[in-house]
Amino acid sequence: GAGVSQSPSNKVTEKGKDVELRCDPISGHTALYWYRQSLGQGLEFLIYFQGNSAPDKSGLPSDRFSAERTGGSVSTLTIQRTQQEDSAVYLCASSSRAGGPADTQYFGPGTRLTVL
Amino acid sequence: DAKTTQPNSMESNEEEPVHLPCNHSTISGTDYIHWYRQLPSQGPEYVIHGLTSNVNNRMASLAIAEDRKSSTLILHRATLRDAAVYYCILRDVGNNNDMRFGAGTRLTVKP
Repeated sequence: GAGVSQSPSNKVTEKGKDVELRCDPISGHTALYWYRQSLGQGLEFLIYFQGNSAPDKSGLPSDRFSAERTGGSVSTLTIQRTQQEDSAVYLCASSSRAGGPADTQYFGPGTRLTVL
Repeated sequence: DAKTTQPNSMESNEEEPVHLPCNHSTISGTDYIHWYRQLPSQGPEYVIHGLTSNVNNRMASLAIAEDRKSSTLILHRATLRDAAVYYCILRDVGNNNDMRFGAGTRLTVKP
């Protein structure tokens, strides 16, 4: 079946512009995660959605970052007034279980964001 | 959160076994040990996970030390496609919303 998809695959923007990144999770998966990965680094957790519960925003680096998940499916990560340090690959993952330490996450291919 | 320590890089020859170590000396009794890998230009993919007992699946085996302070991911016959960064991650019941990825081990497979 279809995996997690993300769009666009690449985004180049100018400093100060807003960007929106989209994630389509695996159908039926209730949990959705956003991470970012700077060049040569490990993944950094950003935000987590589980069903209709309030999202866990504890990883968002600043108030310029926000995310929403409509209808418990598609999610959009928005970065306002982008800065050069926002340049990274933004990864989305979904899982079918309600979180939990044995949960397996399925990752999308990521969106490479470059802020000039 | 409990921290994991992995070697920065390892090399293997094709069709030979590979043992990727991970130290997690501060692991708690409820921490699960997860392994993911990330192939070049792709998102991470799940490999295996375990709690106390050794685990086997079609991709790999996970050997967990008796005191759980370390574990080893075993690839029985490395292929060129196994060249990736391998991440060892701990997840517990109290912090299950995210996975803390470290720098991982970059595995190079030589033909």
